[in-house]
Amino acid sequence: DVVMTQSPLSLPVTLGQSASISCRPSQSIVYSDGNTYLNWFQQRPGQSPRRLIYKVSNRDSGVPDRFSGSGSGTDFTLKISRVEAEDVGVYYCMQGTHWPWTFGQGTKVDIK
Amino acid sequence: QVQLVESGGGLVKPGGSLRLSCAASGFTFSDSYMNWIRQAPGSGLEWLSYISGSSSDTNYADSVKGRFTISRDNAKNSLYLQMDSLRAEDTAVYYCVRHARLAAYWGQGTLVTVSS
Repeated sequence: DVVMTQSPLSLPVTLGQSASISCRPSQSIVYSDGNTYLNWFQQRPGQSPRRLIYKVSNRDSGVPDRFSGSGSGTDFTLKISRVEAEDVGVYYCMQGTHWPWTFGQGTKVDIK
Repeated sequence: QVQLVESGGGLVKPGGSLRLSCAASGFTFSDSYMNWIRQAPGSGLEWLSYISGSSSDTNYADSVKGRFTISRDNAKNSLYLQMDSLRAEDTAVYYCVRHARLAAYWGQGTLVTVSS
């Protein structure tokens, strides 16, 4: 199975500052169709996960442009610019290339 | 808008069975791959199974292979997960999710507790 390693696992952030979360798959996640199925999810306390970013860098509808995804190969990043109180929660990366599709351990973002 | 509503969770004894359902609306259900993903209490996410729109393509995580069965009824816009031989480690919130590989839409989840 592809292991998705996230860091850090805990990320205290000052309101208005930026935050970055790293995600490193244990192998290449480029699919045979040429796409890289690397997605990012946000799970606020008590809620279901919500997709923010799909295929590395495509922001979902309604997601603030403070969220951005980047990367390639085995090194991917979710960046949150100007963190707001509503961004508190756990963030997961996920690969949908190799079955079983797997998630990272999660990064807990909270406010300092 | 897309809506996914899970039901059927509850308390079951080890070795028992449970059938989860997911009612879908707001999209063409028969065209969509559908999935079950679970989250154990205080833990991360585990993708369990997917099924194609025609039911011809299915797959399972090793942790549930041979015990869980995914199915769908396109006439009823419904997805199912038959869970047999349940174990304590199957205790989790189970989510119905639309789209293979991309997991674009999630339901609110249904809690399954396996305990004697």
